[in-house]
Amino acid sequence: QKEVEQDPGPLSVPEGAIVSLNCTYSNSAFQYFMWYRQYSRKGPELLMYTYSSGNKEDGRFTAQVDKSSKYISLFIRDSQPSDSATYLCAGGGGSNYKLTFGKGTLLTVNP
Amino acid sequence: DAGITQSPRHKVTETGTPVTLRCHQTENHRYMYWYRQDPGHGLRLIHYSYGVKDTDKGEVSDGYSVSRSKTEDFLLTLESATSSQTSVYFCAISDPGQVNYEQYFGPGTRLTVT
Repeated sequence: QKEVEQDPGPLSVPEGAIVSLNCTYSNSAFQYFMWYRQYSRKGPELLMYTYSSGNKEDGRFTAQVDKSSKYISLFIRDSQPSDSATYLCAGGGGSNYKLTFGKGTLLTVNP
Repeated sequence: DAGITQSPRHKVTETGTPVTLRCHQTENHRYMYWYRQDPGHGLRLIHYSYGVKDTDKGEVSDGYSVSRSKTEDFLLTLESATSSQTSVYFCAISDPGQVNYEQYFGPGTRLTVT
């Protein structure tokens, strides 16, 4: 079992929809959780960063971590065509400063 | 964008030839990482460095070697390229003293081994 599991999609939604992207992880040592956005043929860019459990909000984006169920979520409100990209979740913990990534979910927001 | 550049950006090479990819950063971050990204596998760690001359293996290190002689440069070498090493390679940087686990990625190198 891979340490971070992510449904690859693809996910297609109309403009303005609320999008929910989800990952599960198995490593109990993970304390840091991240969401990256990757446009086609570009490098991943850090979107949201969360430490331990709880929510973090940044504009239209909300990251949620539930350590009891080992579940990571990213919500996008009022989705825009410019949000069309692959979204990668990642977890890390311990002293080696390595991240383990999910395989990514391809999202398309249709105008 | 964080100050990370990768060179070359694209390369086509033949099986059996050596290839070196370069990652250069201007952020003075201590940690540097090499990943490969393939359809169906996502991002997988090849090697990483936690300081000058300090490196360690990731989950897919076979067939790859790395070197870091300066803080700003991290080289990835394929000693004898194989078709299975056709991939997109990303470099990332991090500095636990400043940003904990956050990693910042370069633009990638698209490598094709024929």
